[in-house]
Amino acid sequence: DTGVSQDPRHKITKRGQNVTFRCDPISEHNRLYWYRQTLGQGPEFLTYFQNEAQLEKSRLLSDRFSAERPKGSFSTLEIQRTEQGDSAMYLCASSPDRGHAFFGQGTRLTVV
Amino acid sequence: GESVGLHLPTLSVQEGDNSIINCAYSNSASDYFIWYKQESGKGPQFIIDIRSNMDKRQGQRVTVLLNKTVKHLSLQIAATQPGDSAVYFCAENTQAAGNKLTFGGGTRVLVKP
Repeated sequence: DTGVSQDPRHKITKRGQNVTFRCDPISEHNRLYWYRQTLGQGPEFLTYFQNEAQLEKSRLLSDRFSAERPKGSFSTLEIQRTEQGDSAMYLCASSPDRGHAFFGQGTRLTVV
Repeated sequence: GESVGLHLPTLSVQEGDNSIINCAYSNSASDYFIWYKQESGKGPQFIIDIRSNMDKRQGQRVTVLLNKTVKHLSLQIAATQPGDSAVYFCAENTQAAGNKLTFGGGTRVLVKP
């Protein structure tokens, strides 16, 4: 499978715990994006990398959120001190410089 | 901020009929538009895209129409099949925004056998 891969698919955590998600993009894609989606809504942009450089962060990305793409390949999204409002589907996507984004299957986070 | 606007109705369609899903956008600077299909528990799947220098583009069983005058985008699905049942999102971006997509809220399509 050469699509965008996300791990884990599901995560249940207690409020206050830290969680980390991983995204492996399509290998030849320079651009990598993180989105968050809540039930019944469209995905909301969180952040975007061009190779290893994080070029844009949404105001949705509070100080508790951090994303990295250290070698310009895979990316991680960490949420510290999780809150119930963080419960959502976290989607990763990648794209070439021109062309549409390909999405992964997402990581569903439930904070209890 | 400006965003793609899409109400979240449910479109019920008989198998074999054509479906039309509409989307209004507000950012006049948008120059690239995409339709995605999302099935339950899965990530969005690309269907078709169109750039602002075009007003129509056809794929396999799908057609996207773009009316820049009224900032309207539509997706037509011909001969709708049970496998077309999903939530459909339109999304827009501007090249200056680095391919960052702004999504609407989605339309659920239910195909009745």
